[in-house]
Amino acid sequence: SSELTQDPAVSVALGQTVRITCQGDSLRSYYGSWYKQKPGQAPVVVIYGNTNRPSGIPDRFSGSISGNTASLTITGAQAEDEADYYCNSRDSSGNHRVFGGGTKLTVL
Amino acid sequence: QVQLVQSGAEVKKPGASVKVSCKASQYTFTRYYIHWVRQAPGQGLEWMGVINPNGGSTSYTQKFQGRVTMTRDTSTSTVYMEVSSLRSEDTAVYYCAREITAPYDWFDPWGQGTLVIVSS
Repeated sequence: SSELTQDPAVSVALGQTVRITCQGDSLRSYYGSWYKQKPGQAPVVVIYGNTNRPSGIPDRFSGSISGNTASLTITGAQAEDEADYYCNSRDSSGNHRVFGGGTKLTVL
Repeated sequence: QVQLVQSGAEVKKPGASVKVSCKASQYTFTRYYIHWVRQAPGQGLEWMGVINPNGGSTSYTQKFQGRVTMTRDTSTSTVYMEVSSLRSEDTAVYYCAREITAPYDWFDPWGQGTLVIVSS
């Protein structure tokens, strides 16, 4: 079982706001990052260090952290945002990495 | 641009071994750790382990201890990941990814993935 817990599926209407969450005790101590993966493609980072957006990622993507829960928010979701999203951080020992189970985002 | 290019798809029989390569370019190879992540068909991402190209030290998740070996060749800026005693459950896409740290931990870029099929 994963040490990071995500909802398996979330849906959002086109242009609306959606929040995807990732829960785990290690997030209290270590930074989290978020990855977007489309079918047949490698994952791409959309948020790192809990709240930072890499260059080239649209500013509708934002990240936040509260206690043991990291969140990825998409403000004004677009059709191209439909994908699987995974959170990642260190495990409770700090020595290894762990991914959340992933959240499938559907844009209606 | 920074790039990780992986070797091509493999088909192996149960009990065999597979060695996947990940060639880095456009950055100083020894300055960044390389992680391996796999994804079984229709499943999520699973972290396997990490290698430090500077010295070659490794760390594997317990699930793969004794069955996975990560190595590197600094002369060609290439990292290798070998899985032995393959079973059908090892059928997956295997990705390498560069770790960016100090102070954050994140992966960028990722290789394009290598499909390994284990079938009799």
